[in-house]
Amino acid sequence: SQQGEEDPQALSIQEGENATMNCSYKTSINNLQWYRQNSGRGLVHLILIRSNEREKHSGRLRVTLDTSKKSSSLLITASRAADTASYFCATLEGAQKLVFGQGTRLTINP
Amino acid sequence: EAGVAQSPRYKIIEKRQSVAFWCNPISGHATLYWYQQILGQGPKLLIQFQNNGVVDDSQLPKDRFSAERLKGVDSTLKIQPAKLEDSAVYLCASSMQGTVYNEQFFGPGTRLTVL
Repeated sequence: SQQGEEDPQALSIQEGENATMNCSYKTSINNLQWYRQNSGRGLVHLILIRSNEREKHSGRLRVTLDTSKKSSSLLITASRAADTASYFCATLEGAQKLVFGQGTRLTINP
Repeated sequence: EAGVAQSPRYKIIEKRQSVAFWCNPISGHATLYWYQQILGQGPKLLIQFQNNGVVDDSQLPKDRFSAERLKGVDSTLKIQPAKLEDSAVYLCASSMQGTVYNEQFFGPGTRLTVL
């Protein structure tokens, strides 16, 4: 079963613009993680936000978490061609089980 | 530090044939995971090992899929016999034992095509 649902399923923007992806989930979580997947580097962990945090930054990434709405968003600022990839949110069930969403396919146009 | 290694990278087989995938996790990582990722979807956990014991195999189709992790290091995932719907990328990941926030490190995956 997949808990997270990303929105939109696909996003195409111009280089330099900001990209926002959203994730909704169904059950209570310990933390929520975002991963990036492209053909060159496979699936890579980007950032983790704990259930008691509301916002977190890492470089050009900004993640927010609203546990009352069971939703999270990932903002990529000043996008670059190298950001072209699929982005997945994943929630932690139990001690170590990650449940991934369907993903958002992001395309950065030069 | 070497990452998670997987082989082969690509495999094409006929339905009803058998296939095996190999994974070597990051050195020192006690937990190993196998995921199935169907095109256009997120990864789905098939099986999780802690050292050489199975922690979770609730989504593993046990009538045709099997996995083992002898000696608690590398692991093999087998499909026998394969069906058309098994076409997917099979990802192996590992994480450190006792990691509260469970950052998993993924291998490049094996892309399986069943004809």
